[in-house]
Amino acid sequence: QKEVEQNSGPLSVPEGAIASLNCTYSDRGSQSFFWYRQYSGKSPELIMFIYSNGDKEDGRFTAQLNKASQYVSLLIRDSQPSDSATYLCAPIGAAGNKLTFGGGTRVLVKP
Amino acid sequence: DVKVTQSSRYLVKRTGEKVFLECVQDMDHENMFWYRQDPGLGLRLIYFSYDVKMKEKGDIPEGYSVSREKKERFSLILESASTNQTSMYLCASSSLRTGVDQPQHFGDGTRLSIL
Repeated sequence: QKEVEQNSGPLSVPEGAIASLNCTYSDRGSQSFFWYRQYSGKSPELIMFIYSNGDKEDGRFTAQLNKASQYVSLLIRDSQPSDSATYLCAPIGAAGNKLTFGGGTRVLVKP
Repeated sequence: DVKVTQSSRYLVKRTGEKVFLECVQDMDHENMFWYRQDPGLGLRLIYFSYDVKMKEKGDIPEGYSVSREKKERFSLILESASTNQTSMYLCASSSLRTGVDQPQHFGDGTRLSIL
């Protein structure tokens, strides 16, 4: 079992709809979780982080965390073609500042 | 804004050459990381460093070494380049702030081709 699991996609959503991305992790000691967006040929850029159970909203993005279920998700509301990218989930392990990246979910927003 | 600068955007080298990839960050970050990214394999950690002259192996250190002589600079060295080291190489840095986990900030990447 991989340490961080994401559906590779592609997740195809119509413009204006909600994109829902899921991530499960195996390290129960993980405290913080980061979501990165990566456009094709570019480096990852941080879009969200969450460390408390529940929801955290930032603009059109909402991160949801359930530590008991070892599950973190990202919702993109009012999806735009510019949201088409790969989204990487990255928990910080209990050992410290080392991130473990999931394989990423590719999102395609169709006009 | 955090700035992580990688010395080359594209690099072409020959098999057997010694290759140096340089990374500089301007935010006085303690932590620096080298990853490679390949289609279908995701981001894999090669080496990381928590302090000057300190290094730790990541998940795939074979065939690589690193150097951190100054806090702002972290170099990745391919001792004898091979074709299976053709990849996108990404450098990242983060702050070591106790009590609050810090995200990693990435450079633009170096696309390395070994012929």
